[in-house]
Amino acid sequence: GNSVTQMEGPVTLSEEAFLTINCTYTATGYPSLFWYVQYPGEGLQLLLKATKADDKGSNKGFEATYRKETTSFHLEKGSVQVSDSAVYFCALSALENQGGKLIFGQGTELSVKP
Amino acid sequence: SAVISQKPSRDICQRGTSLTIQCQVDSQVTMMFWYRQQPGQSLTLIATANQGSEATYESGFVIDKFPISRPNLTFSTLTVSNMSPEDSSIYLCSVEGGGFPGGYTFGSGTRLTVV
Repeated sequence: GNSVTQMEGPVTLSEEAFLTINCTYTATGYPSLFWYVQYPGEGLQLLLKATKADDKGSNKGFEATYRKETTSFHLEKGSVQVSDSAVYFCALSALENQGGKLIFGQGTELSVKP
Repeated sequence: SAVISQKPSRDICQRGTSLTIQCQVDSQVTMMFWYRQQPGQSLTLIATANQGSEATYESGFVIDKFPISRPNLTFSTLTVSNMSPEDSSIYLCSVEGGGFPGGYTFGSGTRLTVV
């Protein structure tokens, strides 16, 4: 079945550091890929998405590129801020399989120190 | 994209009691989804609720424990029945939407603590 694997956290960075959170997936179809963010005490918010190979999703300085050849969708940001401290979830949705349900990775907690 | 109002935002409940969580969407949607997020864990889909039919439950979840109602295209409830401390989690509802394939919008979640 479809699955998503994220790098384990927690990840602790200093402000203005470069961020990479790795995400790889397994899917038999052609999934759409997402990054969701959960700020402390809040629900999930869509951060960015990509719906086909080589698409780059971007938002709030975060980027992720849909790499079909490596089945990856790594999240990057060039300079993190304290306000980026949150839990980040990689997810996929494959209409051809599992009825389009979202499959989540285990989440990666990011803590940014001033 | 759709806007979801979920309540209560949090509750502390006694063991053996039940809690009903409500989700109201500002537009009509075909399917609504209920997720559980246990402490420190990822999200797990509990069930999919279509209006006018029985909810479809994922493996490991049963209707007697998590009854769901879907009376119309904008509203759904999830009840957590006969609660135990293991049910302490964040429960989230979700709908399709966002203008792109596979996009989903989430409610703000209900943080449940069972004592």
